[in-house]
Order: sequence, then C-alpha cells, then structure tokens
Amino acid sequence: DVKVTQSSRYLVKRTGEKVFLECVQDMDHENMFWYRQDPGLGLRLIYFSYDVKMKEKGDIPEGYSVSREKKERFSLILESASTNQTSMYLCASSSTSDRDTGELFFGEGSRLTVL
Amino acid sequence: KNEVEQSPQNLTAQEGEFITINCSYSVGISALHWLQQHPGGGIVSLFMLSSGKKKHGRLIATINIQEKHSSLHITASHPRDSAVYICAVRRAIGDKIIFGKGTRLHILP
Repeated sequence: DVKVTQSSRYLVKRTGEKVFLECVQDMDHENMFWYRQDPGLGLRLIYFSYDVKMKEKGDIPEGYSVSREKKERFSLILESASTNQTSMYLCASSSTSDRDTGELFFGEGSRLTVL
Repeated sequence: KNEVEQSPQNLTAQEGEFITINCSYSVGISALHWLQQHPGGGIVSLFMLSSGKKKHGRLIATINIQEKHSSLHITASHPRDSAVYICAVRRAIGDKIIFGKGTRLHILP
C-alpha cells in the first residue's frame, strides 16, 4: 500500500521558534510538494521538488524553506514561526515516470498552531 | 477570477440522493483530479482523467475538454460520503497543479 507519511499530526509552537515538518514517501516518486490549506482559500502551493536537491518556489514561499537531501524525504522549514503560519500543512507526491498516471498521493496533514 | 471554480460550495442532501458536483476551469490542462478530504485532514485521490468518463463503485467522473468542465457524480449517496470534494487541474504548460476551493458535502441519514 502506497504511503506518504508526515511526521506530526499536531504541533503547537511559539512565535519565533524554528519548525521542521517532515514528509516521507515510499513510492520512489520524483515529485514532492508542500501545500498549506486554510478555510476559504483552498490548497496553496508553498514549494515543490522534482528531484533530489532540487526545489522550486510555489505560490506562497515567503517565510518557508525546504530541503530534499534524499529522494524519499521532503522537509518544510519555518525559520521563525509567526502566527499567520498557523495552518494545516499537507505533503504530496507524484511520479512523472509514467505520464498517464501522475496521480497525487497525500499525507494525513500536519496541523500547526503558532502561539 | 480563480482558474478553477467549483459549484456548489456547500451541499446538503438526504441519503440515497444522486449528487452532482461541478468543476469549471479556464486554462489548458493535461489532466484533472478529483480528490476527497474527510474531517481530520487526509486527502485521497478519487480520479485522474484527461478525457471521457471514469467510474469507481458509486462514483462517476466526467470531463468535457472543449467546454473546460468536469462533473463528479455520486449515486445512492450515503452519510459516509460526507466530505470535502476538491477538483484540481494539472496545467498543460509547466505542469503546475491548481486546486479549486472544494465542495463541502453533507449527507443526512
């Protein structure tokens, strides 16, 4: 059974703290994505990666960075958390090796609260 | 104007009713996804389609490329179908995925 695993379902952090959100997939997918989901705004792309050590900015990268040192792991980093980063964070992966699929697989989500 | 629009935003229906959720988009696409999100967060891919129609159990998805429109149908709806249904399109150029804001479906027993 294919799987995208996010390290924490719920986190509570204080303003200014450094926050790491980890995502691991076991499908050997090239593509990995970090989204945030907020009421009324839907899913918005923060960063994505098409390969190891490669990263591209999404629509809302400000205040975030990412790391992809291994193919299976894509980390989202909040260098100095702020209250407006309180949100649900979702990781996803997909494959481009077969252009007829490209199906998206999502993790369970990490709900971050910044106090 | 959003590039992916879903309607309705909210839908409440009685168990057994036939449900239709619509998705319109304004960009060229290579594929369209229908996703389901239950309370608690996790998103599951229901369909990915680039033409025609797909069926899985009580769920049917159709797409009309010329009209830039897709529909998700649920036959014999059940309370366990209550969830948020999200339409997403993969742009033909650049491969970017754009999400609709979702349709919140509530099926009453």
